Amino acid sequence: GESVGLHLPTLSVQEGDNSIINCAYSNSASDYFIWYKQESGKGPQFIIDIRSNMDKRQGQRVTVLLNKTVKHLSLQIAATQPGDSAVYFCAEIPHAMNSGYSTLTFGKGTMLLVSP
Amino acid sequence: DTGVSQNPRHKITKRGQNVTFRCDPISEHNRLYWYRQTLGQGPEFLTYFQNEAQLEKSRLLSDRFSAERPKGSFSTLEIQRTEQGDSAMYLCASSLPGPDYEQYFGPGTRLTVT
Repeated sequence: GESVGLHLPTLSVQEGDNSIINCAYSNSASDYFIWYKQESGKGPQFIIDIRSNMDKRQGQRVTVLLNKTVKHLSLQIAATQPGDSAVYFCAEIPHAMNSGYSTLTFGKGTMLLVSP
Repeated sequence: DTGVSQNPRHKITKRGQNVTFRCDPISEHNRLYWYRQTLGQGPEFLTYFQNEAQLEKSRLLSDRFSAERPKGSFSTLEIQRTEQGDSAMYLCASSLPGPDYEQYFGPGTRLTVT
């Protein structure tokens, strides 16, 4: 189930389940979105990205869905494994990439806990 | 290991002291970024360099903070007259410019100001 912890919303799943992590982004002008995974004591690690001209992109065991109408992004992880336990952040680029700016704005994270 | 290294990994300092952190990016990456992350929050952008030029600074980067990238390779972030509110994880990332956007993050420097 999903619960709100002291600092982060937390999603607890069993190994083998599919996980869905949601993110509401703020800027309708954002045209590039990234999901990052951050394990304890490490920096964020790129998982998958999507541009605003797409509504779905698939990687290995992960799928990102983009709904620009409601400014919503989701990350689906298939067959979740204990090694997937981490904090997941969505990030958006508030300026068009062609402008040369590369400033990422991170959303609030979600902690994923996977039980064996 | 992403190839971005940061030193030191941990720093404990007393309020009022100056601290300096170092970031070594992936060698062919000409963009370098600094972020600050507090517990339970996502990283917040501080500043970024393209080669040795500092192209953007966040309003979070007060005048006590200064960043340099003198030769377009490694970068340093200095905090003068540290305050307890400066306690955070300081993350560095690097990337190539243009459409291949992925930022590779280092492990961060954890600063504790007592």
